[in-house]
Amino acid sequence: DARVTQTPRHKVTEMGQEVTMRCQPILGHNTVFWYRQTMMQGLELLAYFRNRAPLDDSGMPKDRFSAEMPDATLATLKIQPSEPRDSAVYFCASGFNGAYGYTFGSGTRLTVV
Amino acid sequence: DAKTTQPNSMESNEEEPVHLPCNHSTISGTDYIHWYRQLPSQGPEYVIHGLTSNVNNRMASLAIAEDRKSSTLILHRATLRDAAVYYCILMRSNFGNEKLTFGTGTRLTIIP
Repeated sequence: DARVTQTPRHKVTEMGQEVTMRCQPILGHNTVFWYRQTMMQGLELLAYFRNRAPLDDSGMPKDRFSAEMPDATLATLKIQPSEPRDSAVYFCASGFNGAYGYTFGSGTRLTVV
Repeated sequence: DAKTTQPNSMESNEEEPVHLPCNHSTISGTDYIHWYRQLPSQGPEYVIHGLTSNVNNRMASLAIAEDRKSSTLILHRATLRDAAVYYCILMRSNFGNEKLTFGTGTRLTIIP
């Protein structure tokens, strides 16, 4: 089965450091999402791309978070500077117009100390 | 966005059918009904989706009420591996709105 690949799987960093998370969507998929999951807030949508163009990033704290798709095989989520409250599991998902559902990656578990 | 209402938790015995309900009384004509599940320590996993007619796939069945204000996910024979949080989500079909907004879902416990 095709997979969405996220790297790294785990990241521990100190407050104030830059964090970059990467996602390789499934080949041929034109839609990419970034979600964040915490115990308190559940799954929150951070950003949404269609054909590499951002359609919705209203859920993302703009002052420190940025999401990009430099090409069709790579999506990145950056946090600069990171804060302890950013500790969460970050998921990437991809699909084709949502017609057949979306496939999620295994997530990046971020801990900011 | 239209909201869904699900029970917080359910229990079922192993090897028995499970019916997971979802209410979505404010559903619009362009909303698809999607179901995802999340096993412990994993990302969400697509289960099934439908618009008006009942749907079957290898994982589950989706029964949609005639007025579309409710739906039921049916696991025909639950196994321990089906223990997960199940999310019922309405997804718009118009361009730029095909995003998934997750609620709190139903935590399904399977009793051996």
